Amino acid sequence: GIQVEQSPPDLILQEGANSTLRCNFSDSVNNLQWFHQNPWGQLINLFYIPSGTKQNGRLSATTVATERYSLLYISSSQTTDSGVYFCAAPPTGTGGFKTIFGAGTRLFVKA
Amino acid sequence: NAGVTQTPKFRVLKTGQSMTLLCAQDMNHEYMYWYRQDPGMGLRLIHYSVGEGTTAKGEVPDGYNVSRLKKQNFLLGLESAAPSQTSVYFCASRGTSGTDTQYFGPGTRLTVL
Repeated sequence: GIQVEQSPPDLILQEGANSTLRCNFSDSVNNLQWFHQNPWGQLINLFYIPSGTKQNGRLSATTVATERYSLLYISSSQTTDSGVYFCAAPPTGTGGFKTIFGAGTRLFVKA
Repeated sequence: NAGVTQTPKFRVLKTGQSMTLLCAQDMNHEYMYWYRQDPGMGLRLIHYSVGEGTTAKGEVPDGYNVSRLKKQNFLLGLESAAPSQTSVYFCASRGTSGTDTQYFGPGTRLTVL
Protein backbone atom coordinates (compact mmCIF):
# COMPACT_ATOMS: atom_id res chain seq x y z
CA GLY A 1 0.00 0.00 0.00
CA ILE A 2 0.88 3.65 -0.15
CA GLN A 3 3.56 4.95 2.19
CA VAL A 4 3.31 8.47 3.61
CA GLU A 5 6.54 9.67 5.18
CA GLN A 6 7.07 12.92 7.04
CA SER A 7 10.23 14.73 7.98
CA PRO A 8 11.67 15.79 10.28
CA PRO A 9 10.07 13.68 13.02
CA ASP A 10 10.81 16.34 15.63
CA LEU A 11 11.52 20.05 15.39
CA ILE A 12 12.32 22.68 18.00
CA LEU A 13 12.12 26.33 17.01
CA GLN A 14 12.69 29.65 18.68
CA GLU A 15 9.63 31.87 18.48
CA GLY A 16 9.80 33.94 15.31
CA ALA A 17 11.75 31.39 13.28
CA ASN A 18 10.57 29.88 10.00
CA SER A 19 10.36 26.18 9.18
CA THR A 20 9.53 23.74 6.40
CA LEU A 21 7.89 20.37 6.98
CA ARG A 22 7.96 17.73 4.28
CA CYS A 23 5.58 14.94 3.30
CA ASN A 24 6.55 12.27 0.74
CA PHE A 25 4.08 9.78 -0.63
CA SER A 26 4.96 6.64 -2.56
CA ASP A 27 2.01 6.49 -4.96
CA SER A 28 -0.31 8.85 -6.75
CA VAL A 29 -3.05 10.28 -4.56
CA ASN A 30 -6.47 11.87 -4.99
CA ASN A 31 -5.74 14.71 -2.64
CA LEU A 32 -3.36 15.75 0.12
CA GLN A 33 -4.33 17.29 3.43
CA TRP A 34 -2.36 18.84 6.25
CA PHE A 35 -3.62 18.73 9.82
CA HIS A 36 -2.44 20.25 13.08
CA GLN A 37 -2.96 18.39 16.34
CA ASN A 38 -2.61 20.82 19.22
CA PRO A 39 -1.17 19.85 22.63
CA TRP A 40 -4.71 19.11 23.85
CA GLY A 41 -5.19 16.52 21.11
CA GLN A 42 -7.59 18.46 18.91
CA LEU A 43 -7.16 17.86 15.17
CA ILE A 44 -7.62 20.85 12.89
CA ASN A 45 -7.57 20.73 9.13
CA LEU A 46 -5.07 23.23 7.72
CA PHE A 47 -5.06 22.66 3.99
CA TYR A 48 -6.63 20.56 1.32
CA ILE A 49 -4.00 20.75 -1.43
CA PRO A 50 -3.81 18.06 -4.13
CA SER A 51 -1.52 20.29 -6.19
CA GLY A 52 -0.18 23.83 -6.35
CA THR A 53 0.25 26.30 -3.51
CA LYS A 54 -2.12 27.72 -0.92
CA GLN A 55 -1.60 30.25 1.83
CA ASN A 56 -3.48 30.94 5.03
CA GLY A 57 -1.90 33.63 7.16
CA ARG A 58 1.54 32.54 8.34
CA LEU A 59 1.07 29.06 6.92
CA SER A 60 1.39 27.97 3.33
CA ALA A 61 1.55 24.62 1.60
CA THR A 62 2.81 23.38 -1.75
CA THR A 63 2.14 20.01 -3.34
CA VAL A 64 4.05 18.74 -6.37
CA ALA A 65 1.94 15.73 -7.27
CA THR A 66 4.16 14.59 -10.14
CA GLU A 67 7.11 14.32 -7.75
CA ARG A 68 4.96 12.95 -4.91
CA TYR A 69 5.72 15.40 -2.17
CA SER A 70 4.14 18.25 -0.26
CA LEU A 71 5.68 20.99 1.88
CA LEU A 72 4.19 22.96 4.76
CA TYR A 73 5.79 26.31 5.52
CA ILE A 74 5.43 28.00 8.87
CA SER A 75 6.67 31.58 9.02
CA SER A 76 7.27 33.69 12.12
CA SER A 77 6.42 30.74 14.36
CA GLN A 78 4.49 31.27 17.58
CA THR A 79 4.20 29.13 20.68
CA THR A 80 0.63 28.32 19.66
CA ASP A 81 2.03 26.55 16.58
CA SER A 82 3.34 23.78 18.83
CA GLY A 83 1.86 20.34 18.36
CA VAL A 84 2.00 17.61 15.75
CA TYR A 85 1.56 18.22 12.04
CA PHE A 86 0.18 15.37 9.95
CA CYS A 87 -0.16 14.98 6.23
CA ALA A 88 -2.73 12.55 4.92
CA ALA A 89 -3.67 11.21 1.52
CA PRO A 90 -6.01 8.66 -0.03
CA PRO A 91 -4.38 6.60 -2.79
CA THR A 92 -5.76 7.00 -6.28
CA GLY A 93 -8.20 4.24 -7.10
CA THR A 94 -9.48 3.75 -3.56
CA GLY A 95 -12.38 6.11 -4.09
CA GLY A 96 -10.80 8.70 -1.82
CA PHE A 97 -12.03 6.97 1.34
CA LYS A 98 -9.03 5.25 2.86
CA THR A 99 -6.99 8.26 3.88
CA ILE A 100 -3.50 7.25 4.98
CA PHE A 101 -1.74 9.41 7.57
CA GLY A 102 1.96 9.98 8.01
CA ALA A 103 3.53 9.56 11.44
CA GLY A 104 3.68 13.33 11.92
CA THR A 105 6.21 16.05 12.70
CA ARG A 106 6.25 17.07 16.34
CA LEU A 107 6.93 20.81 16.63
CA PHE A 108 7.83 22.69 19.79
CA VAL A 109 8.14 26.48 19.62
CA LYS A 110 10.06 28.05 22.49
CA ALA A 111 9.15 31.50 23.80
CA ASN B 1 -23.55 23.80 14.76
CA ALA B 2 -21.56 21.47 17.00
CA GLY B 3 -19.58 19.80 14.21
CA VAL B 4 -18.42 16.32 15.20
CA THR B 5 -19.01 15.16 18.76
CA GLN B 6 -17.90 11.98 20.50
CA THR B 7 -19.22 10.21 23.57
CA PRO B 8 -17.68 9.39 26.01
CA LYS B 9 -14.48 11.44 26.34
CA PHE B 10 -12.77 8.93 28.63
CA ARG B 11 -13.37 5.30 29.51
CA VAL B 12 -11.58 2.58 31.42
CA LEU B 13 -12.48 -1.04 30.68
CA LYS B 14 -11.38 -4.39 31.99
CA THR B 15 -10.20 -7.03 29.54
CA GLY B 16 -13.18 -8.81 28.02
CA GLN B 17 -15.72 -6.04 28.64
CA SER B 18 -17.66 -4.49 25.81
CA MET B 19 -18.54 -0.92 25.01
CA THR B 20 -19.83 1.36 22.27
CA LEU B 21 -18.40 4.71 21.23
CA LEU B 22 -20.82 7.18 19.69
CA CYS B 23 -19.98 9.72 17.02
CA ALA B 24 -22.46 12.34 15.87
CA GLN B 25 -22.17 15.02 13.19
CA ASP B 26 -24.57 17.80 12.30
CA MET B 27 -23.05 18.81 8.94
CA ASN B 28 -25.12 16.36 6.86
CA HIS B 29 -21.93 14.60 5.76
CA GLU B 30 -22.18 11.32 3.89
CA TYR B 31 -18.77 9.97 4.84
CA MET B 32 -17.80 9.07 8.39
CA TYR B 33 -14.67 7.44 9.78
CA TRP B 34 -13.26 5.89 12.92
CA TYR B 35 -9.50 6.14 13.57
CA ARG B 36 -7.25 5.11 16.40
CA GLN B 37 -4.12 6.98 17.43
CA ASP B 38 -1.41 5.28 19.43
CA PRO B 39 1.44 7.17 21.11
CA GLY B 40 3.94 8.58 18.63
CA MET B 41 1.98 7.40 15.64
CA GLY B 42 -0.35 8.85 13.09
CA LEU B 43 -3.99 7.92 12.77
CA ARG B 44 -4.97 4.51 11.49
CA LEU B 45 -8.34 3.91 9.89
CA ILE B 46 -10.48 1.29 11.63
CA HIS B 47 -13.75 1.43 9.69
CA TYR B 48 -15.55 3.93 7.54
CA SER B 49 -18.97 4.56 6.05
CA VAL B 50 -19.94 6.18 2.78
CA GLY B 51 -23.58 6.63 3.68
CA GLU B 52 -26.44 5.59 5.93
CA GLY B 53 -26.64 1.81 6.21
CA THR B 54 -23.15 1.21 4.77
CA THR B 55 -19.87 0.30 6.46
CA ALA B 56 -16.46 -0.86 5.25
CA LYS B 57 -13.17 -2.03 6.73
CA GLY B 58 -10.15 0.21 7.02
CA GLU B 59 -6.54 -0.63 7.86
CA VAL B 60 -7.04 -2.12 11.33
CA PRO B 61 -10.63 -3.44 11.62
CA ASP B 62 -10.05 -6.56 13.73
CA GLY B 63 -11.72 -6.51 17.13
CA TYR B 64 -14.13 -3.71 16.18
CA ASN B 65 -17.60 -3.48 14.70
CA VAL B 66 -19.48 -0.45 13.43
CA SER B 67 -22.98 0.59 12.50
CA ARG B 68 -24.45 3.54 10.63
CA LEU B 69 -28.19 3.29 11.20
CA LYS B 70 -28.69 7.04 10.94
CA LYS B 71 -26.81 9.38 8.66
CA GLN B 72 -25.67 11.60 11.51
CA ASN B 73 -24.40 8.80 13.78
CA PHE B 74 -21.55 6.31 13.47
CA LEU B 75 -21.09 3.80 16.29
CA LEU B 76 -17.89 1.90 17.07
CA GLY B 77 -18.20 -1.25 19.16
CA LEU B 78 -15.68 -3.33 21.03
CA GLU B 79 -17.19 -6.73 21.78
CA SER B 80 -14.39 -8.05 23.99
CA ALA B 81 -11.85 -5.38 24.86
CA ALA B 82 -8.14 -6.21 24.91
CA PRO B 83 -5.21 -4.18 26.30
CA SER B 84 -3.97 -3.74 22.71
CA GLN B 85 -7.06 -1.60 22.10
CA THR B 86 -5.88 1.02 24.58
CA SER B 87 -5.72 4.10 22.41
CA VAL B 88 -7.28 7.44 21.56
CA TYR B 89 -10.17 7.06 19.14
CA PHE B 90 -11.13 9.80 16.72
CA CYS B 91 -14.22 10.07 14.62
CA ALA B 92 -14.29 12.19 11.47
CA SER B 93 -16.74 13.16 8.76
CA ARG B 94 -16.65 14.84 5.38
CA GLY B 95 -18.81 15.60 2.40
CA THR B 96 -18.81 13.81 -0.92
CA SER B 97 -17.00 16.40 -3.01
CA GLY B 98 -13.43 15.50 -3.85
CA THR B 99 -12.39 18.85 -2.40
CA ASP B 100 -14.06 18.34 0.96
CA THR B 101 -11.88 18.11 4.02
CA GLN B 102 -12.30 15.91 7.04
CA TYR B 103 -13.59 17.31 10.32
CA PHE B 104 -12.56 15.51 13.47
CA GLY B 105 -14.23 14.98 16.81
CA PRO B 106 -12.38 15.70 20.08
CA GLY B 107 -11.41 12.07 20.64
CA THR B 108 -12.14 9.34 23.20
CA ARG B 109 -9.33 8.12 25.42
CA LEU B 110 -9.84 4.42 26.12
CA THR B 111 -7.78 2.37 28.55
CA VAL B 112 -8.17 -1.40 28.74
CA LEU B 113 -6.71 -2.97 31.87
